[in-house]
Amino acid sequence: DAGVIQSPRHEVTEMGQEVTLRCKPISGHNSLFWYRQTMMRGLELLIYFNNNVPIDDSGMPEDRFSAKMPNASFSTLKIQPSEPRDSAVYFCASSLAPPGGRTEAFFGQGTRLTVV
Amino acid sequence: SQKIEQNSEALNIQEGKTATLTCNYTNYSPAYLQWYRQDPGRGPVFLLLIRENEKEKRKERLKVTFDTTLKQSLFHITASQPADSATYLCAPSDNAGNMLTFGGGTRLMVKP
Repeated sequence: DAGVIQSPRHEVTEMGQEVTLRCKPISGHNSLFWYRQTMMRGLELLIYFNNNVPIDDSGMPEDRFSAKMPNASFSTLKIQPSEPRDSAVYFCASSLAPPGGRTEAFFGQGTRLTVV
Repeated sequence: SQKIEQNSEALNIQEGKTATLTCNYTNYSPAYLQWYRQDPGRGPVFLLLIRENEKEKRKERLKVTFDTTLKQSLFHITASQPADSATYLCAPSDNAGNMLTFGGGTRLMVKP
């Protein structure tokens, strides 16, 4: 398996534009997480899906952020409109939640977003 | 509110010594606690998981302890090497083991 795949790796956009980040989790995993990492705030959990259903989105900063998981092999995180303070590295991670599976999370390489 | 605290200051040690990193949590009753390593420009990588009924877990040069009374986990790297230099993150998780919330991480620098 190629691991968790995120695209794009880097994204530079202008303030006010829509940004869509994409994630392909590891095949067979049933949990998916979106995180945001900055120097100031560390690694923040934005939203967690289990079996394609959003379970906890309390970390989503505001209505400009939305996430979807239309099927088990694909998820998107959308920011509309984007603002400079959204600049960060966004990570997607997947895991095989219990029962019957380990709980370790596998992270993608991240998308470095810069909003100018 | 739930809080996970790791020493935000970098830990500098000499090669060959044992590195000890601390993870404290409050308003939490995690069933599991995980430790991850993160190198610059990369995503975190899982190292060890310890359950609430386990006091200690070992993997090669790594050792993790979990004290639910003190609400603390300690992460030890024995015979440290420069290649161990990275940021180490702890992540308590709930009974289902699903939610993963991370501490701020501690940067470890091992000098030759």
